[in-house]
Amino acid sequence: AQSVTQLDSHVSVSEGTPVLLRCNYSSSYSPSLFWYVQHPNKGLQLLLKYTSAATLVKGINGFEAEFKKSETSFHLTKPSAHMSDAAEYFCVVSVLSGNTPLVFGKGTRLSVIA
Amino acid sequence: ETGVTQTPRHLVMGMTNKKSLKCEQHLGHNAMYWYKQSAKKPLELMFVYNFKEQTENNSVPSRFSPECPNSSHLFLHLHTLQPEDSALYLCASSQDGTSGNEQFFGPGTRLTVL
Repeated sequence: AQSVTQLDSHVSVSEGTPVLLRCNYSSSYSPSLFWYVQHPNKGLQLLLKYTSAATLVKGINGFEAEFKKSETSFHLTKPSAHMSDAAEYFCVVSVLSGNTPLVFGKGTRLSVIA
Repeated sequence: ETGVTQTPRHLVMGMTNKKSLKCEQHLGHNAMYWYKQSAKKPLELMFVYNFKEQTENNSVPSRFSPECPNSSHLFLHLHTLQPEDSALYLCASSQDGTSGNEQFFGPGTRLTVL
């Protein structure tokens, strides 16, 4: 079975400082991992995706995530936060075969302070 | 219109009403999904349709009835709902139901049950 744990329910950073949103996963098979972002009153938008290629994945809006199998982690980072990054972020796990649906974390709310 | 669209965006209904939510995807995908997003809870998968066939019903109460007439359209028929059914209902689509495929989300329907 797959599961994902987002270690922080809320992260607050100052504009221009680095962002780190933490995610640990559990999977019996080779996982696919995703980060989605949800702005207020909007649907979820895919930020980036890992599917067993390069372990460092670059996404949209300057975000990137590194797959670390030894740590079962897939943390999301950005060198410099922008006010428009304030949103809810979801870490998601699936597997590369079969019909297992996506498993979503509980979400991390990112606040950016001017 | 591009991507995944949902109508209506907001819906208020009484417990005795019957209403329907509509989702349409313009991406040429073959799998469609309904999710429920409640405050303080993880995203809950409700139904999955793959090539118009329902492949997942995640123990959803019968007062929610999905319909998928073709690969581009998905409906969620609602009747005799309860106040605890108030939530954001998100529709998503993917290339097919195979794991590892990212899902593309609509903006959601904000449902309030009085």
